[in-house]
Amino acid sequence: EAGVAQSPRYKIIEKRQSVAFWCNPISGHATLYWYQQILGQGPKLLIQFQNNGVVDDSQLPKDRFSAERLKGVDSTLKIQPAKLEDSAVYLCASSPDSNQPQHFGDGTRLSIL
Amino acid sequence: QKEVEQDPGPLSVPEGAIVSLNCTYSNSAFQYFMWYRQYSRKGPELLMYTYSSGNKEDGRFTAQVDKSSKYISLFIRDSQPSDSATYLCAMSSPVYNQGGKLIFGQGTELSVKP
Repeated sequence: EAGVAQSPRYKIIEKRQSVAFWCNPISGHATLYWYQQILGQGPKLLIQFQNNGVVDDSQLPKDRFSAERLKGVDSTLKIQPAKLEDSAVYLCASSPDSNQPQHFGDGTRLSIL
Repeated sequence: QKEVEQDPGPLSVPEGAIVSLNCTYSNSAFQYFMWYRQYSRKGPELLMYTYSSGNKEDGRFTAQVDKSSKYISLFIRDSQPSDSATYLCAMSSPVYNQGGKLIFGQGTELSVKP
């Protein structure tokens, strides 16, 4: 079974620029999650999708972050404009449904200069 | 107070030692408890998954949940250098109660020395 795929693996941008991350979940997984993991901390949920609908985006900074999951499969997370404090690893995870364990991709490491 | 507390370590042990990793939590609605292992520059990998209280064993790994004390543990027997990683506890409530959001601890960095 192929795992959660994410790209790019690394991204370096200057503050106030925009950036986008892509995630392809495990086939058949209805629930998709985006997490932010700051160095030395555990992952923090940004947004949760069930198929192509948003279940929870309470911790997503909506003035600069946006995410979509068109057709209920792949998802993109965008930051515009980026701030220095957005430097982190952005992890995507998926699960068959909301009550099943989540499986993570290897993340995108974002550095803001 | 954080919902989930985990000692960040670092924890250094000799090869073959028994390792004990722990988390405490404050939300009594949590019913699903997980341990993830995260190697450097990799995503978290699910190690153990437990529903409600009790013990679960998988090879050298044993997970314990004590809901009365709001305390979970992961034991690693006969630790190996390949166990060197950051261990994250995570927990959630059922979807029908507070949405099922996964809350992570800070992670404990473990180093097993040959």
